[in-house]
Amino acid sequence: DAGVIQSPRHEVTEMGQEVTLRCKPISGHNSLFWYRQTMMRGLELLIYFNNNVPIDDSGMPEDRFSAKMPNASFSTLKIQPSEPRDSAVYFCASSSSSVGELFFGEGSRLTVL
Amino acid sequence: GDSVTQMEGPVTLSEEAFLTINCTYTATGYPSLFWYVQYPGEGLQLLLKATKADDKGSNKGFEATYRKETTSFHLEKGSVQVSDSAVYFCALLGRYGGATNKLIFGTGTLLAVQP
Repeated sequence: DAGVIQSPRHEVTEMGQEVTLRCKPISGHNSLFWYRQTMMRGLELLIYFNNNVPIDDSGMPEDRFSAKMPNASFSTLKIQPSEPRDSAVYFCASSSSSVGELFFGEGSRLTVL
Repeated sequence: GDSVTQMEGPVTLSEEAFLTINCTYTATGYPSLFWYVQYPGEGLQLLLKATKADDKGSNKGFEATYRKETTSFHLEKGSVQVSDSAVYFCALLGRYGGATNKLIFGTGTLLAVQP
């Protein structure tokens, strides 16, 4: 079975550019999560969706960040404009009814110069 | 608010040594507790879990017991292997009024096992 699929795996961009990260959750999972991982702050939950509806976006750093889930099989995390402090690994994870068991993608490593 | 505290790493051990990674939590009510593992270049994956006090989660030789009296969930393994080198995350799922799968993670502990 395919796991959570993220793209791109690596992105290098310049400050001020728009960045879009994509995620395809595991088929049948009804919850989707976006996390950010850095050395300084560890693993931070940015936003999560339940049945395609955003439930908690309190972790989204600021208005430059936005996330959408137009259907059950696709989600995007957009940063516009990007800044060097956004450099991190961004993980998408999905979950079904098994409470607490998240399945993570391999992450998208973002470098903003 | 709910939080998880785990020992800072890195933890460096020789192969076949005994491993303990400490984890304590703060939560209202009775959370479920988890250990996730992240191998180099990969996402996190669930290692084991315990959903109520005195439960013991186990997997791949790792164990952790949910201790309500000490609010702890320490990870142990009797004999580590080089292949166990990874970052280990303790996590908590609080029990809130609404339905949620929102996990709260600790900062992670890097384990390096030397041959």
